[in-house]
Amino acid sequence: ELKVEQNPLFLSMQEGKNYTIYCNYSTTSDRLYWYRQDPGKSLESLFVLLSNGAVKQEGRLMASLDTKARLSTLHITAAVHDLSATYFCAVDIEYSGAGSYQLTFGKGTKLSVIP
Amino acid sequence: KAGVTQTPRYLIKTRGQQVTLSCSPISGHRSVSWYQQTPGQGLQFLFEYFSETQRNKGNFPGRFSGRQFSNSRSEMNVSTLELGDSALYLCASSRVGGEGSPLHFGNGTRLTVT
Repeated sequence: ELKVEQNPLFLSMQEGKNYTIYCNYSTTSDRLYWYRQDPGKSLESLFVLLSNGAVKQEGRLMASLDTKARLSTLHITAAVHDLSATYFCAVDIEYSGAGSYQLTFGKGTKLSVIP
Repeated sequence: KAGVTQTPRYLIKTRGQQVTLSCSPISGHRSVSWYQQTPGQGLQFLFEYFSETQRNKGNFPGRFSGRQFSNSRSEMNVSTLELGDSALYLCASSRVGGEGSPLHFGNGTRLTVT
C-alpha cells in the first residue's frame, strides 16, 4: 500500500523567512503533484513533477523531485502572509492495469505566515 | 473555460438516508474522479470513471457508488448514511486520466450527517 508522508504537518513562520516542506512516499513513482487548499475552498494545482530531478518554481515557491530517494520538497522563500494555506503533495500511480491512475495524498501541511 | 462544477454545495441528511452528489467536469475532460476529505483521514480516493466505465475504486464500502453519463457528467451516491460519512466530497476531472497533468478539482459538496 502506497504511503505518502508530509512533514511538518503544522508550520508557523514569520514573514520573510525561508522553510521547506518534505514529502516522502513509499513506492516507485515519477509523478508527483503539489496542491494548495485555502480554508473552505477546493484544491488548486501548484506544481506537476514528472521526472527525477524535476524542479519547478512559481513566485516564492519551488518544488523538486528525487525519485531515487522517493522525496519531494516544497521550498518557501521569503514567506508572505498570502502563502498561508494547507499544502498537499500527492503521488500518482496506476492501479489495476486499466489505465486508471489515482492520487494518494499526504496529510497536508498547514502553513501560517505571521506578519 | 468553466471549471469543475459540483452541486449541491451543502447537504444535511440524517442517518439512514441516501444522498446523490453531482459533478460536471471541464468541457473535453472524460475522466472524473471522486475524493472524500475528512479531518481525520485526509483526502481519500473513492472511484474514477472514464467513458461511462468505472476503472478504479478505492477502499470504501459498497454503500458508496457512482456512475458517469455519456456527456461525462458524474454522480455519486451514498446509501444508508452513517455519521462517519460527514465529509467534503471533491470531484476532479482530467482529459483521459493518467496523462501526467494535474486533476482539476471542483469546490466540493459538504455533507453533514446528523
